[in-house]
Amino acid sequence: DAGVIQSPRHEVTEMGQEVTLRCKPISGHDYLFWYRQTMMRGLELLIYFNNNVPIDDSGMPEDRFSAKMPNASFSTLKIQPSEPRDSAVYFCASSPRDRGFYGYTFGSGTRLTVV
Amino acid sequence: AQSVTQPDIHITVSEGASLELRCNYSYGATPYLFWYVQSPGQGLQLLLKYFSGDTLVQGIKGFEAEFKRSQSSFNLRKPSVHWSDAAEYFCAVGPGSNDYKLSFGAGTTVTVRA
Repeated sequence: DAGVIQSPRHEVTEMGQEVTLRCKPISGHDYLFWYRQTMMRGLELLIYFNNNVPIDDSGMPEDRFSAKMPNASFSTLKIQPSEPRDSAVYFCASSPRDRGFYGYTFGSGTRLTVV
Repeated sequence: AQSVTQPDIHITVSEGASLELRCNYSYGATPYLFWYVQSPGQGLQLLLKYFSGDTLVQGIKGFEAEFKRSQSSFNLRKPSVHWSDAAEYFCAVGPGSNDYKLSFGAGTTVTVRA
């Protein structure tokens, strides 16, 4: 298995532009998570999905952030409009449900820089 | 609510020396506990996990961790550190009673000196 795949690896954009981050979870994993990592706040859970349905989006910082999971193999995190304070590393992770709780498998992340 | 504390922000250890990273958790029931490692520019990789049973768990890369319920701790250890172990280490607990979320600690950065 190729693991959790995120794209792009790096993104530099100007303030006010729309940014879309992409994630392909591991096949067969029921849960998908979006995290943001910064020096100041560490790892923050933004939103997670179960079987493509958003379960908890309480970590989404504001309405500029939105996430979708149109099918079991693809999810997007969109920021519109982007601001410099959104600069961070964004991780996607997935997890299976059957046979108990085995923890998450993380992607390599997308490093977002908003200038 | 579940939470994790990693008391040490940064640890420096000599190559070949032993390493112990501390993790304390708060959880209402028997926890699921995890240690992850993050190398620079990489995602988080699962080192080991504890669900139940033997309180000493073995993981990848020669790491082990011991669950101590009386101390609410899950410390990570390695007998002899290699330069490649320089990374950031995260302890995590979960899921919650009504959700599927992990709570992560703030992380401990390990520097290995020659």
